[in-house]
Amino acid sequence: AQSVTQLGSHVSVSEGALVLLRCNYSSSVPPYLFWYVQYPNQGLQLLLKYTSAATLVKGINGFEAEFKKSETSFHLTKPSAHMSDAAEYFCAVSSESGGYQKVTFGTGTKLQVIP
Amino acid sequence: ETGVTQTPRHLVMGMTNKKSLKCEQHLGHNAMYWYKQSAKKPLELMFVYSLEERVENNSVPSRFSPECPNSSHLFLHLHTLQPEDSALYLCASSQDRGTGISGELFFGEGSRLTVL
Repeated sequence: AQSVTQLGSHVSVSEGALVLLRCNYSSSVPPYLFWYVQYPNQGLQLLLKYTSAATLVKGINGFEAEFKKSETSFHLTKPSAHMSDAAEYFCAVSSESGGYQKVTFGTGTKLQVIP
Repeated sequence: ETGVTQTPRHLVMGMTNKKSLKCEQHLGHNAMYWYKQSAKKPLELMFVYSLEERVENNSVPSRFSPECPNSSHLFLHLHTLQPEDSALYLCASSQDRGTGISGELFFGEGSRLTVL
């Protein structure tokens, strides 16, 4: 069984401040981990993914995440928030099962950026 | 067109209507998914088709009926829905079956369904 926990359903940061969105996972097999972003009235878009290569993963729009196996964490960070980062962010864990991707999503974190 | 396209983007229907949601992917993927996104709930996986065969049905009520005529198209047929079925329905695709690709899902923009 696999699961994802995102701490904080809402996070507010000032423009230019550090963004930190937390994600912890559990998985019985080495996981594939993802962060997706969803802007209002749109579908989810991949931000970055961890696939057992480098533990520090860089994604689009200046975001990055670090896989820490000992802490079962995959927190998302960005050094300096921009107004356009306001969106909902979903952490996800994936494993292949029967020829398709069994993806478990967290409940999401809405990021508000204050000018 | 590129990516995953969903139509219609918005749909309002009565409880006795029959309607369908359509999804088309232009990525050459071999697996397609329907997800339901409701306010304050995690994304719920409804159906998965891999190589046009349904491989998962997560206890979805029979008023939702999926159809996958080929690897590029996925439908969700709706019949006698309830107001609690109002949600954003997201279609996604992926390339799987041991390709070594890590399972990224590519999502459409969703169909916003309102049941009156």
